[in-house]
Amino acid sequence: EMQLVESGGALVQPGGSLRLSCAASGFTFSNYWMSWVRQAPGKGLEWVSHMDLDGSVTRYADSVKGRFTISRDNAKNTLDLQMSSLRVEDTAVYYCGKDLTWNALNLWGQGTMVTVSS
Amino acid sequence: DTVMTQSPLSLSVTPGQPASISCKSSQSLQDSDGKTHLHWYLQKPGQSPQLLIYDVSSRSSGVPDRFSGSGSGTDFTLKISRVEAEDVGIYYCMQGTHLPLSFGGGTKVEIK
Repeated sequence: EMQLVESGGALVQPGGSLRLSCAASGFTFSNYWMSWVRQAPGKGLEWVSHMDLDGSVTRYADSVKGRFTISRDNAKNTLDLQMSSLRVEDTAVYYCGKDLTWNALNLWGQGTMVTVSS
Repeated sequence: DTVMTQSPLSLSVTPGQPASISCKSSQSLQDSDGKTHLHWYLQKPGQSPQLLIYDVSSRSSGVPDRFSGSGSGTDFTLKISRVEAEDVGIYYCMQGTHLPLSFGGGTKVEIK
């Protein structure tokens, strides 16, 4: 069974850092682009970042560019999101997603909650 | 940036009746390869989103055939031929053509 499991969410102060991880299983991880999407409490979905098969292509939403870094380890089947200079408006559930084709995410994790508050 | 606008914001449907959701983009979603990367997701209450339709009209694996997508350019529609109780949730369109990628604001579907 294909599965994505996010971890690393926590309560962090503004200006702090956090690293999220997404563990993939049940499919050949290295064959797929991967994405992070977030959802603020009671709000809609917002694309955050994505990465190609070997990490040579990375793209970010303007709202996180320069503060967040996406990475992957194809040997360990993991996708990470390093977040720094966190802001209150980064508070959200963060989902990782597997890209079927052209950013159509056909597998999502259960999400991990990040709360940025003093 | 590409703005995605969905309507209506909410929909209350009698089981067995059809439903339709509109999604409009601020620019054409047709790529240089001639394909249009407009996708539809459903987020059921308390769950992660799930892919229903990709590239305008292709159903994702396991999605019932009562769901269909259509449209071109900037105007797209998701149709449910006969709504069932399990179809409740928030439906989102998403464009995968232009950076930054963007979602519509969502349409909440409820059962009467």
